[in-house]
Amino acid sequence: GAVVSQHPSRVICKSGTSVKIECRSLDFQATTMFWYRQFPKQSLMLMATSNEGSKATYEQGVEKDKFLINHASLTLSTLTVTSAHPEDSSFYICSATGYNSPLHFGNGTRLTVT
Amino acid sequence: AQKVTQAQTEISVVEKEDVTLDCVYETRDTTYYLFWYKQPPSGELVFLIRRNSFDEQNEISGRYSWNFQKSTSSFNFTITASQVVDSAVYFCALSEAYNQGGKLIFGQGTELSVKP
Repeated sequence: GAVVSQHPSRVICKSGTSVKIECRSLDFQATTMFWYRQFPKQSLMLMATSNEGSKATYEQGVEKDKFLINHASLTLSTLTVTSAHPEDSSFYICSATGYNSPLHFGNGTRLTVT
Repeated sequence: AQKVTQAQTEISVVEKEDVTLDCVYETRDTTYYLFWYKQPPSGELVFLIRRNSFDEQNEISGRYSWNFQKSTSSFNFTITASQVVDSAVYFCALSEAYNQGGKLIFGQGTELSVKP
């Protein structure tokens, strides 16, 4: 079964609204979580790395005020896309790793902004 | 800088053919991890293999095999007797050692189409 649960799997929202995506580790403590974005027919690009209890580290070119990441517990990280626009439509996928725990990916969230 | 190159954007084969997906990487680290993932149309990433830089032994798992050659910085993936269910996008990825395989740099992906 899945060890990293990502929710929702699909979301459609209107331009200007905010969307929250959750990434949960189900049976291990995720000290570090990663958020990736994948545009159609493209590769996965790392957006940010979050360590539990500290601020996320964003990759160059990723707006931290637009993509808010919270990793307040060892089992949950959230990505909030604020004031979403059609160009934010993408596939967002998280991964998690912990002490003595290999890397696991969530199943991804397909975001469509209309 | 680290980089992963999958030069084959799309490959199309007929069922039962063997197919090799190429992956070339660049890194200045002496210790690193290499991965292959399968991404079916549904989008999730299916883990296939993780290999650390000190283990150059080739690996076989059923119809899948991997050829790791540090001398040419390549980590190629072969599917023997391909099946329609193998149709997917395949990603090769690289991670620095200190991440224990956490922060991945992905190649561009190779879309494999296996026709009946």
